[in-house]
Amino acid sequence: KQEVTQIPAALSVPEGENLVLNCSFTDSAIYNLQWFRQDPGKGLTSLLLIQSSQREQTSGRLNASLDKSSGRSTLYIAASQPGDSATYLCAVSNTGNQFYFGTGTSLTVIP
Amino acid sequence: NAGVTQTPKFQVLKTGQSMTLQCAQDMNHEYMSWYRQDPGMGLRLIHYSVGAGITDQGEVPNGYNVSRSTTEDFPLRLLSAAPSQTSVYFCASSFSGSSPLHFGNGTRLTVT
Repeated sequence: KQEVTQIPAALSVPEGENLVLNCSFTDSAIYNLQWFRQDPGKGLTSLLLIQSSQREQTSGRLNASLDKSSGRSTLYIAASQPGDSATYLCAVSNTGNQFYFGTGTSLTVIP
Repeated sequence: NAGVTQTPKFQVLKTGQSMTLQCAQDMNHEYMSWYRQDPGMGLRLIHYSVGAGITDQGEVPNGYNVSRSTTEDFPLRLLSAAPSQTSVYFCASSFSGSSPLHFGNGTRLTVT
């Protein structure tokens, strides 16, 4: 069974700082990996999807990388803003049908 | 375009009662799934469907039933509610296994 770990569980940074969130997984034979954002009391919003053949994906100030051999992915957020405050979740799929989620990193960006 | 719609938003049940959580999507997505989210644990897959008439079990299927008679709807049935089923339930859909997952806003269920 795929195990997904996200460290740290919580992170607090001043506005404008660049930051990196980490995700690790135990089975490197993945199909794809997704990063999500979850605001309190809300559902998840997909931020970036990386297929197993890709090394990274970018959207605006967000960049996600994937290193299958080491079982790791990182989400880089540039020039953080208070509106980036949320919980960020990583999910890994081995088949495209079943996703395994980490417990998330709670990010607070201080104005 | 409503996306993924879940009803109800909140529900309180007594132990032993049954109920159905509704999920509908208007994006013509083939793939639909149900997750539960509990404090300190990641989202866990309950059941999923890759198309109308096709369902399969996820990681934590016990105590739940699903059916997929149409592309748009994927209801989740709790057969006999137990306090261990107190959780937040999310429905998600995608065009395929290679596409981003779209989530509903969740149903918060309390079983007393």
